[in-house]
Amino acid sequence: GQQVMQIPQYQHVQEGEDFTTYCNSSTTLSNIQWYKQRPGGHPVFLIQLVKSGEVKKQKRLTFQFGEAKKNSSLHITATQTTDVGTYFCAGNNDMRFGAGTRLTVKP
Amino acid sequence: DTGVSQDPRHKITKRGQNVTFRCDPISEHNRLYWYRQTLGQGPEFLTYFQNEAQLEKSRLLSDRFSAERPKGSFSTLEIQRTEQGDSAMYLCASSFMADPDQPQHFGDGTRLSIL
Repeated sequence: GQQVMQIPQYQHVQEGEDFTTYCNSSTTLSNIQWYKQRPGGHPVFLIQLVKSGEVKKQKRLTFQFGEAKKNSSLHITATQTTDVGTYFCAGNNDMRFGAGTRLTVKP
Repeated sequence: DTGVSQDPRHKITKRGQNVTFRCDPISEHNRLYWYRQTLGQGPEFLTYFQNEAQLEKSRLLSDRFSAERPKGSFSTLEIQRTEQGDSAMYLCASSFMADPDQPQHFGDGTRLSIL
């Protein structure tokens, strides 16, 4: 079945630095969704990408979907302490989540 | 509050006991999902329903696990003869079936601890 891999597993940055997490699938995805889970919380939906090569922005967050629809990335510009949490991607045609990238931010 | 609600929030039980969790999805959502999450891992898919029909069940799910959604609204997840390895957070999520797929809304989860 579909396998969604995320890298890196952990990322520690200084506040103000940029952060990127990558999601790679072994199969072509119909769409991909990104979620954020704060420590002690539950996953919260951020965005969905559907089209090949699609780029969407939410303030300091930029999401990309690869041309082949097998990979995706989330980039955060100038991280803030409120960005702390684990970011998951999910290939929704199979409801499988990646292991997530845990982001910590040093003020 | 119109979000996904799960009950109980915490459950502590002895090994070998049966436990049942309940999930009430967002009212207009016709899809309901169950996941299990352990520390440092992403949500692991267990099963999902579309209305009252259970459409998929993870092959990783043992026969001790069963889920129901009898009227297409709330769902229950039962674990029989619990084992130490069942200790985890059990998350429920719901969504509205559409094209493209709609995002899942998660509940706060039920944390299960097996003594």
